[in-house]
This record gives sequence, C-alpha cells and structure tokens, in this order.
Amino acid sequence: AQSVTQLGSHVSVSEGALVLLRCNYSSSVPPYLFWYVQYPNQGLQLLLKYTTGATLVKGINGFEAEFKKSETSFHLTKPSAHMSDAAEYFCAVRVGTSGSRLTFGEGTQLTVNP
Amino acid sequence: KAGVTQTPRYLIKTRGQQVTLSCSPISGHRSVSWYQQTPGQGLQFLFEYFSETQRNKGNFPGRFSGRQFSNSRSEMNVSTLELGDSALYLCASSWAGVADTQYFGPGTRLTVL
Repeated sequence: AQSVTQLGSHVSVSEGALVLLRCNYSSSVPPYLFWYVQYPNQGLQLLLKYTTGATLVKGINGFEAEFKKSETSFHLTKPSAHMSDAAEYFCAVRVGTSGSRLTFGEGTQLTVNP
Repeated sequence: KAGVTQTPRYLIKTRGQQVTLSCSPISGHRSVSWYQQTPGQGLQFLFEYFSETQRNKGNFPGRFSGRQFSNSRSEMNVSTLELGDSALYLCASSWAGVADTQYFGPGTRLTVL
C-alpha cells in the first residue's frame, strides 16, 4: 500500500522568502505524485503533478517540485512567497493498481507574514 | 468548460437520518471519486465510479454508498447518520487513466446534529 507523509503541519514564512513544503512517499511501485492547494471553503486545486519523465516539475503560481526516487521525496518549493499563497497544501500519491484513488498526506498549513 | 459541481453546498441533518449528495463531473470525464475531509482524519477516499461501475472502494462502513449514472453524474448516500459523519465531502472527476489529473468540486459541507 502507498502512503504519504508531510513534514510540518504548519509552516510560516515571510513575504518574499523561500517556501519549502516537505513530502515523502512510500510505494512499492512507481508512483504518480501530486500537490494540491486548498483555500478556505473551497475544493482542491492542482498545483502540479509528476507522472513520468522529467523529475523537476513546474506548476502554477510559480511552484515547482522535484521527484527524488532515492529519497522517496517530492518537496514543493517556491522562490518567493506571496500573501496569496497562504492556504493548505496537500501532497498525494497514486499508483497504477489503484485506479484514480489518491492517498493524501495530512496537509501543511502555510502562513505568509507581511 | 464548466468545472465539477456539487449540490447542495451545505446540509444540516440530525442523527439517524439519511442524506444524498450529488456530483456533476466535467463534461467528458468518466471517472468520479468521492473523498471525506475532516479535521481529525484528513482526506480519506470513499469510492470511485467509472462507467457506472464501482472501481475502487475505501475503508468506510456500508452506510456509505454511491452510484453513477450513464451521463457520469454521481450520487453518494449516507444512511443512519452519525455525529462523526460531519465533514466536507469532495467529489473529483477525471478522464479515466491513473496519470490523469483529478479535478475537485467545491464540496458539500455536511453537519450532523
């Protein structure tokens, strides 16, 4: 079975600082990895995904993530935080044997301070 | 193109009642999945329907059920509601493949009193 661990349930950064949200996965087969963002009272919006190919994935709003198989990690980064980035972020994994089922991490609440 | 829509957005029920939630996927999407989101348990997979057949099922009691219609619209039903069923229920749709992106609706906020 696959699983996802997000290190840090709350992360606080200053506006303009680097954003780093950590995600480690466990999977016995090659995984598909996703990052979603959730704003208050809304559903989930896809930031980026890794399926195959290039391990550095660029997403929307300046976010990117790097798939590191040796470290079983898929950390999310953004060079310069903006106030509008404040939200909850979820890392998720899917494997080929599970249909469309996503297994989510616990989420990381990002706070951006002025 | 219209996104995933869920109705109703908010619902208040009492213990013991049953409830039906509806989800309309993005046009052309054949897979619909349901998730429950709570502060304590996070996001948990309920089930997935593809071409009117349940393709995958999470670890929830039989009180939780769903179905999918020929137009890919889906409903989920919860019978004999319990206080612990209070949650945000999210629906997501995708084309079909495992690498496909799942697009989420805004959710239905269910409160059980």
